[in-house]
Amino acid sequence: QSALTQPASVSGPPGQSITISCTGTRSDVGIYTYVSWYQHHPGKAPKLLIYEVSYRPSGVSNRFSGSKSGNTASLTISGLQAEDEADYYCSSFTSSRTLVFGGGTKLTVL
Amino acid sequence: QVQLVESGGGVVQPGTSLRLSCAASGFTFRTYAIHWVRQAPGKGLDWVAVISNDGSNKYYADSVKGRFTISRDNSKNTLFLQMSSLSAEDTAVYHCARDTSGWYSLDSWGQGTLVTVSS
Repeated sequence: QSALTQPASVSGPPGQSITISCTGTRSDVGIYTYVSWYQHHPGKAPKLLIYEVSYRPSGVSNRFSGSKSGNTASLTISGLQAEDEADYYCSSFTSSRTLVFGGGTKLTVL
Repeated sequence: QVQLVESGGGVVQPGTSLRLSCAASGFTFRTYAIHWVRQAPGKGLDWVAVISNDGSNKYYADSVKGRFTISRDNSKNTLFLQMSSLSAEDTAVYHCARDTSGWYSLDSWGQGTLVTVSS
């Protein structure tokens, strides 16, 4: 199972919006709505931001939103804040009943 | 609150075995599937395995299939990962994580335990 494809890095100034893409195949992102997004600050446990493409767990800011079109899922962060600087990972359930992660995207808040 | 605490990591030689544990508290352990996810130094998250709530179903990444075994003891709220034939490529921080929905979204993670495979 190959990793989902994410950009290695994205950046933006405080207050702006950014979008991170996550491209898979018809064996994962393309046919399932079980796409999740995680925020990971190095040295800390990853945090679930989005599940099932667009749902936010309780306590997650509504500045984070998710969507999907075809084989590509997206995470949008609006109103960028300094504390958003972190690594972001997408993941998808697969037809083999495994889980595949994206390679990760490093977000820099300028 | 939900807590997952991994243990059992350390430095081991190539070809040897190691067993990791994950102690759970703050939730009804027996009702959740649990995953192992690892992160090699400087690399991204890498899924390892999942076990269903009752232990009847287990799935593995191709990279560990036949070498790693996931298991659980619901009477002790503990998850295990038995790793054998370890190689340098298995060097990573290993996290256990709770599956919130049964569809592989992981809502609670442990801090991880470091496994280093080196001669």
